[in-house]
Amino acid sequence: AQRVTQPEKLLSVFKGAPVELKCNYSYSGSPELFWYVQYSRQRLQLLLRHISRESIKGFTADLNKGETSFHLKKPFAQEEDSAMYYCALSGGRDDKIIFGKGTRLHILP
Amino acid sequence: DAGVTQSPTHLIKTRGQQVTLRCSPKSGHDTVSWYQQALGQGPQFIFQYYEEEERQRGNFPDRFSGHQFPNYSSELNVNALLLGDSALYLCASSRSYYEQYFGPGTRLTVT
Repeated sequence: AQRVTQPEKLLSVFKGAPVELKCNYSYSGSPELFWYVQYSRQRLQLLLRHISRESIKGFTADLNKGETSFHLKKPFAQEEDSAMYYCALSGGRDDKIIFGKGTRLHILP
Repeated sequence: DAGVTQSPTHLIKTRGQQVTLRCSPKSGHDTVSWYQQALGQGPQFIFQYYEEEERQRGNFPDRFSGHQFPNYSSELNVNALLLGDSALYLCASSRSYYEQYFGPGTRLTVT
């Protein structure tokens, strides 16, 4: 079954501390992996995707095919990182996107 | 460019009624996807429209139907509304599939 699991509903981290949002997936084949973010009162937007190997707003994510994980990391949390984060996958071009349930990241001052 | 726009913003309907939600894609985009986001859940894929045809469909009953117009705008129709249809309905547009841009959503409440 195709599935994205985000085990944490809420993650509270102090400003300046490292952040890791966990994501595991189940998919038969080689999916494309994404992280989407939704800031307060804003629409859902793409944060990064594994094929581009970019670092966006200091966030990175490494695809581990052996562990079927795609954890999102940032070395030093900032208050503006507080938001809802969704891990997602797609089977490839033109395939539907499957989202996890999301993790709310709360950065403490 | 206003990006993806959706109307209405909020909607309250009674069980058994029918509803139509509208979406205008971002300029230059030709593909529209619809998602349902229940409270506390991630978005769930309903279907995708390209060249005025349904290209792909998620696990939703036939009560959910859609349409895409020649100007690429799209409608989502839901018949025989159930209480469980209460959710935020998101529209996303794209040209290449991965670059999906989301609208602000329509909040549907079924009473």
